[in-house]
Amino acid sequence: EDQVTQSPEALRLQEGESSSLNCSYTVSGLRGLFWYRQDPGKGPEFLFTLYSAGEEKEKERLKATLTKKESFLHITAPKPEDSATYLCAVLLWGGGGNKLTFGTGTQLKVEL
Amino acid sequence: SQTIHQWPATLVQPVGSPLSLECTVEGTSNPNLYWYRQAAGRGLQLLFYSVGIGQISSEVPQNLSASRPQDRQFILSSKKLLLSDSGFYLCAWRTGNYGYTFGSGTRLTVV
Repeated sequence: EDQVTQSPEALRLQEGESSSLNCSYTVSGLRGLFWYRQDPGKGPEFLFTLYSAGEEKEKERLKATLTKKESFLHITAPKPEDSATYLCAVLLWGGGGNKLTFGTGTQLKVEL
Repeated sequence: SQTIHQWPATLVQPVGSPLSLECTVEGTSNPNLYWYRQAAGRGLQLLFYSVGIGQISSEVPQNLSASRPQDRQFILSSKKLLLSDSGFYLCAWRTGNYGYTFGSGTRLTVV
């Protein structure tokens, strides 16, 4: 069965304290891996798409990387406004509907 | 421009009452549309998806149903709500390399 697992469930950082969020997946036929940011009471917002092992994407303080078994979202020198829940999702080859399967998310809190 | 609209933003309904949540997209044609539910502290669970008018696929047996009466309209319904139907409902539209674009969500509380 295809599975997506995110860790940790929650993470509290001090402003400027860099860290990484993990998304591990056990799937057959990865077509793409997506990272989203979700603020409380809102829909998820797109951050990155990764397609193949070794690929990296960067945006401001965030960098996403992908291996054959997991993806990391690295947060460098975070600020309080980076506080949110970060979701990863996988898109698989085959099947119908181009469905995304989501992990349960990492809730990040950045404090002053 | 391409946008997705979802309403209402919040809804409080008694057990046994009907439900209708609407989602519409603009700026595209024949989109793949999705309904997800997010329970507190949990990830997004796919409920239904549609690849075209009148085409609905259900992912999880439940008390809900979906319909797509028009190309850019997707509706989530229930005849009789249960307490377990409470949650945050999200409509989404597949946007190629971005995966999905999500609506702003509906917070449903069944009392």
